[in-house]
Amino acid sequence: DQQVKQNSPSLSVQEGRISILNCDYTNSMFDYFLWYKKYPAEGPTFLISISSIKDKNEDGRFTVFLNKSAKHLSLHIVPSQPGDSAVYFCASRGTSYGKLTFGQGTILTVHP
Amino acid sequence: DAGVIQSPRHEVTEMGQEVTLRCKPISGHNSLFWYRQTMMRGLELLIYFNNNVPIDDSGMPEDRFSAKMPNASFSTLKIQPSEPRDSAVYFCASSPGANVLTFGAGSRLTVL
Repeated sequence: DQQVKQNSPSLSVQEGRISILNCDYTNSMFDYFLWYKKYPAEGPTFLISISSIKDKNEDGRFTVFLNKSAKHLSLHIVPSQPGDSAVYFCASRGTSYGKLTFGQGTILTVHP
Repeated sequence: DAGVIQSPRHEVTEMGQEVTLRCKPISGHNSLFWYRQTMMRGLELLIYFNNNVPIDDSGMPEDRFSAKMPNASFSTLKIQPSEPRDSAVYFCASSPGANVLTFGAGSRLTVL
């Protein structure tokens, strides 16, 4: 049972344009959502997060949107840069001890 | 701070052999997580500990998998006997109990 789903395995974007990565979840008990970025041969690193009491959180070029009624969140990167090329994982928290449930990941490629 | 340290970074073994993966969490972090990354399921939680106590091992795929945390600075994930389908990247992550997990660089396991 995949409680967090990223339905797009990959996304290709031109440098300078917007990248939009999507994530859906099924568990209404999730109350905190995160995005992680992963480069090859490295561990995932934290990028940005949002609490369920908000619908938007912005950090520089990165903005996360949360639509609780649709159980959907998205990550916007504007403008996209070649260095943003990586695998992006969305994650959700619904229990104690910081346990996170991750999606399958989306490979983002930003072309110069 | 050296971050979360995992060893070995790469392990190639033959089917039936025992595999032991090691993790040193960040000092002061009281939660430790073992994840496995596969193409199909993304980042899959295997087990997590809080204050060295296993809290949830429901993600451990079979009895062939076991994990221990004998003290706050060390954890192991053991597979015995290993099978080709265990081939994956195994990540260890730690957290101070907040929402953000810090991951190690991962251990890439190949079982022939």
